Amino acid sequence: GEDVEQSLFLSVREGDSSVINCTYTDSSSTYLYWYKQEPGAGLQLLTYIFSNMDMKQDQRLTVLLNKKDKHLSLRIADTQTGDSAIYFCAEKNAGNNRKLIWGLGTSLAVNP
Amino acid sequence: GAVVSQHPSWVICKSGTSVKIECRSLDFQATTMFWYRQFPKQSLMLMATSNEGSKATYEQGVEKDKFLINHASLTLSTLTVTSAHPEDSSFYICSASQGHMNTEAFFGQGTRLTVV
Repeated sequence: GEDVEQSLFLSVREGDSSVINCTYTDSSSTYLYWYKQEPGAGLQLLTYIFSNMDMKQDQRLTVLLNKKDKHLSLRIADTQTGDSAIYFCAEKNAGNNRKLIWGLGTSLAVNP
Repeated sequence: GAVVSQHPSWVICKSGTSVKIECRSLDFQATTMFWYRQFPKQSLMLMATSNEGSKATYEQGVEKDKFLINHASLTLSTLTVTSAHPEDSSFYICSASQGHMNTEAFFGQGTRLTVV
């Protein structure tokens, strides 16, 4: 079945760049998403990328997609303490009634 | 972005009682709503998908008689946890999508259910 994998933890210094990686197995993915979840809160959509794109940039966020390797990454430039959260990678394919397949989430800790 | 409001944010109930959680799309019509359950430090587990005016589609292993979902209008879906037990304690999150090929699902802020 479809699967999405992420590393569970990442620790960076404030001001450095963070790179969170995600791999997926579904070759028919249409959209890939990054969501942020702060403690005790719901999920916030950060950004998404369509599967025919290689890169998408939005302010401090850069998403890179390697469709051949089924690898997605999220780079956060100038990471701040407010970026500390869990980041979920998710993918959706066209025929799946808009269900998202989720990774387990990467817990990002930003140290001052 | 669109706003999805989930209510209540937290609830404590006694074993054996039922609890209703509401999910509302405030500024758009949600043709599809999703209900998730999240255990501490784990990912989201999809429980069911509901389309307005029709029965919800439950994921394997989710008891439809225990987790009643009603999607009566394009802006409201409810999840009722019936005869709650302590093992039902969890964080429940809803999300809502609009259109047929919508790229985004907007999430509510979640409901922390504690059954004592």
